[in-house]
Amino acid sequence: KNEVEQSPQNLTAQEGEFITINCSYSVGISALHWLQQHPGGGIVSLFMLSSGKKKHGRLIATINIQEKHSSLHITASHPRDSAVYICAVNPGGGADGLTFGKGTHLIIQP
Amino acid sequence: DAGVIQSPRHEVTEMGQEVTLRCKPISGHNSLFWYRQTMMRGLELLIYFNNNVPIDDSGMPEDRFSAKMPNASFSTLKIQPSEPRDSAVYFCASRQGEIGKLFFGSGTQLSVL
Repeated sequence: KNEVEQSPQNLTAQEGEFITINCSYSVGISALHWLQQHPGGGIVSLFMLSSGKKKHGRLIATINIQEKHSSLHITASHPRDSAVYICAVNPGGGADGLTFGKGTHLIIQP
Repeated sequence: DAGVIQSPRHEVTEMGQEVTLRCKPISGHNSLFWYRQTMMRGLELLIYFNNNVPIDDSGMPEDRFSAKMPNASFSTLKIQPSEPRDSAVYFCASRQGEIGKLFFGSGTQLSVL
């Protein structure tokens, strides 16, 4: 069983819809990351959080440490938001690499 | 800053050949990571360095893979001999400090025929 589970795996929505992508993890962590990978492959870090909520433009990320769960929300979705969104965690213990979820493939149709 | 720079962008080689992937991290970043991405397994950590020292290489698949970081501005990932199952996209990433946002390179698409 993967230590980081994302849902849904695939999501198709209409432009303007509110989008939620979920991430659950089974290990203790020091931080959780949300990454975005566009067709063509480049990976961009959207958020790094260890508690509470962060907002950047139309993107909001929340985390509940007790429940080992995080969500990424997109408000007023746009076709340019179409990408793969990847949840990744830093297992606790200091400097270390990330453990990744399999990603959520999001398509926003005009 | 130009960001994390990887080369080459694409590499096509024949089974048995040596492959060397290169990475230049963002200046001032002291942690560097090599990841591999495949359709089947997604993103996986191969190895990471902190202050040029390898910290965790448990993700390196086997002895055919080796990585070096001779100085703070350069790292290589070498596969010798390469096999078709090594075909993947290899990403390099760097960050400042022990916990922080990761900055990814554009990746190297490797195809081993």
